[in-house]
Amino acid sequence: EINLVESGEGLIEPGGSLRLSCAASGFTFSNYEMNWVRQTPGKGLEWLSYISMGGGTIFYADSVKGRATISRDSAKSSVFLQLSSARGEDTAIYYCVRQARETGAFDAWGQGTMVSVSS
Amino acid sequence: QAVLTQPSSLSASPGASASLSCTLRSGINVGTYRIYWYQQRPGSPPQYLLRYRSDSDTHQGSGVPSRFSGSNDVSANVGILLISGLQSEDEADYYCAIWHSGAWVFGGGTKLTVL
Repeated sequence: EINLVESGEGLIEPGGSLRLSCAASGFTFSNYEMNWVRQTPGKGLEWLSYISMGGGTIFYADSVKGRATISRDSAKSSVFLQLSSARGEDTAIYYCVRQARETGAFDAWGQGTMVSVSS
Repeated sequence: QAVLTQPSSLSASPGASASLSCTLRSGINVGTYRIYWYQQRPGSPPQYLLRYRSDSDTHQGSGVPSRFSGSNDVSANVGILLISGLQSEDEADYYCAIWHSGAWVFGGGTKLTVL
């Protein structure tokens, strides 16, 4: 069974940094591209970042460019997202998402982890 | 102007068909993009439904019923998700997405009500 399990700090102070982890299981992690997508409760989806299978190609959304760092550890079958200078607008559910190279589809999603930025 | 525009809501009756639109911004031609469709039921993460660019470039998600299909209207620059034989379980939010200029872009989503 494919599993993506996100974890991270639930509450961050404005200006602080958040680090999210996603542990993958049930598939060959190194064969898949990975993404982070977030969703403000009751609102739409916002893509944040992409990392290629080998980690050599990375993209960021303009909304987090310069503040976000995505990385992956194939030995741990994990992908990470660090977001600095957190602000209220970063309050959201953060999803770890698997992307299939052949189709380009986001074909597996984690359950998401809620992050709140508040003092 | 947003890259992808979806109507915020749509209602349809059980057994009927629903056509969900995803309008691409002027200058971004629907025929050159693979449009991905995702379904999100309340309290759950999104799930991949299908991808469509043309009849020869389409992909159905694993386990997704054939009553979900994609198309586009090149003249209107719109991607379309067609759901036939609507069921109560189809009540959900639907999002379109494309890869554009080095970024994934989602539409704002359409809330489909089946009543």
